[in-house]
Amino acid sequence: GQSLEQPSEVTAVEGAIVQINCTYQTSGFYGLSWYQQHDGGAPTFLSYNALDGLEETGRFSSFLSRSDSYGYLLLQELQMKDSASYFCAVRDTNAGKSTFGDGTTLTVKP
Amino acid sequence: EAGVAQSPRYKIIEKRQSVAFWCNPISGHATLYWYQQILGQGPKLLIQFQNNGVVDDSQLPKDRFSAERLKGVDSTLKIQPAKLEDSAVYLCASSFSVHEQYFGPGTRLTVT
Repeated sequence: GQSLEQPSEVTAVEGAIVQINCTYQTSGFYGLSWYQQHDGGAPTFLSYNALDGLEETGRFSSFLSRSDSYGYLLLQELQMKDSASYFCAVRDTNAGKSTFGDGTTLTVKP
Repeated sequence: EAGVAQSPRYKIIEKRQSVAFWCNPISGHATLYWYQQILGQGPKLLIQFQNNGVVDDSQLPKDRFSAERLKGVDSTLKIQPAKLEDSAVYLCASSFSVHEQYFGPGTRLTVT
């Protein structure tokens, strides 16, 4: 079966750095994506890793280790607007089907 | 570029009634997805279309849920009859590349 594990909640202060981990067990693996979802809003795409290593996009970076079935999302210089839920999603078929984790709720405090 | 459009945004029905949701994807996006998101959980894929063909519907409860994508553009998702456990947000997404999906605002369904 498919399973993804993420911490349910993370709290950090403005300006800090936070790392959200994701471990997965899926029958197929083509890549790991990260999505952000604000309360009442739609998920929005943040990043994608198909190969091992770090991908950087502004204040956000994402890392993947395929041998460890593990990835993380790194958020730097946290801002209040970063308070949201963050989902990792494994693309587990070549056709693009993705399985999502249950999300990590990030709370940024002043 | 216009985003993914969905309607209605909210719907309240009684159990055993039927309901339909509509989605218009981003122009040029061949792949369309319907997800169910229950409060506190991640989106769960119900069905994936490539143009007007079904790629994956393994998690679609076919005894009560149906979906179609006529002409490979708009799509509708129907539930008949609805159960209390169908209360959720129904998200439509579309994609051009397989790893980046664009989501619509969703339809919040409450079944009483």
